[in-house]
Amino acid sequence: AQSVTQPDIHITVSEGASLELRCNYSYGATPYLFWYVQSPGQGLQLLLKYFSGDTLVQGIKGFEAEFKRSQSSFNLRKPSVHWSDAAEYFCAVAQGTGGGNKLTFGTGTQLKVEL
Amino acid sequence: EPEVTQTPSHQVTQMGQEVILRCVPISNHLYFYWYRQILGQKVEFLVSFYNNEISEKSEIFDDQFSVERPDGSNFTLKIRSTKLEDSAMYFCASSGGGHTEAFFGQGTRLTVV
Repeated sequence: AQSVTQPDIHITVSEGASLELRCNYSYGATPYLFWYVQSPGQGLQLLLKYFSGDTLVQGIKGFEAEFKRSQSSFNLRKPSVHWSDAAEYFCAVAQGTGGGNKLTFGTGTQLKVEL
Repeated sequence: EPEVTQTPSHQVTQMGQEVILRCVPISNHLYFYWYRQILGQKVEFLVSFYNNEISEKSEIFDDQFSVERPDGSNFTLKIRSTKLEDSAMYFCASSGGGHTEAFFGQGTRLTVV
């Protein structure tokens, strides 16, 4: 069964500092990988996705992520964090069946931004 | 921009009562999903729906749960007899299938008292 691990439950960074959120997945075949962000009381907004091709993917709000098959990782990065980035971030993996994509989520990383 | 909408945003119900959570998926999408997030925990898959039938369900989705697409636009989740442990945020999502991502609604917070 597929699974996702986000080893960092909480991360605090200063505004303007760089950010890396870790995500490791377990899945036998080629995964579809996603990062979603959830602000307090809000739904899940897609930041970026990886299906195939270039392993460095760009997303919204200045985020990027790199798929590393050898490490089973899909870490999320941002070079300079803004206070509005404070939220919870979820990594997710889907079966690459081409049909409907059931998502398996990690436990999330809560990001706090210090001004 | 098209979006998934869910109603109500918050529902409080007494234990043992039936609740129906409503969702309007994005109109040209083919796959519909329900997920839930118990407070402080991760988002969990409940069920997926395609071509007017359940395509996959998790072990959480027992006989107390059902889904329906009654009129071609709405997608509902019914919990027949709510339990305290059903208290959670319920998210509806839809996708076009294939190499497309799922779009999530804002969620319905269900509180069972």
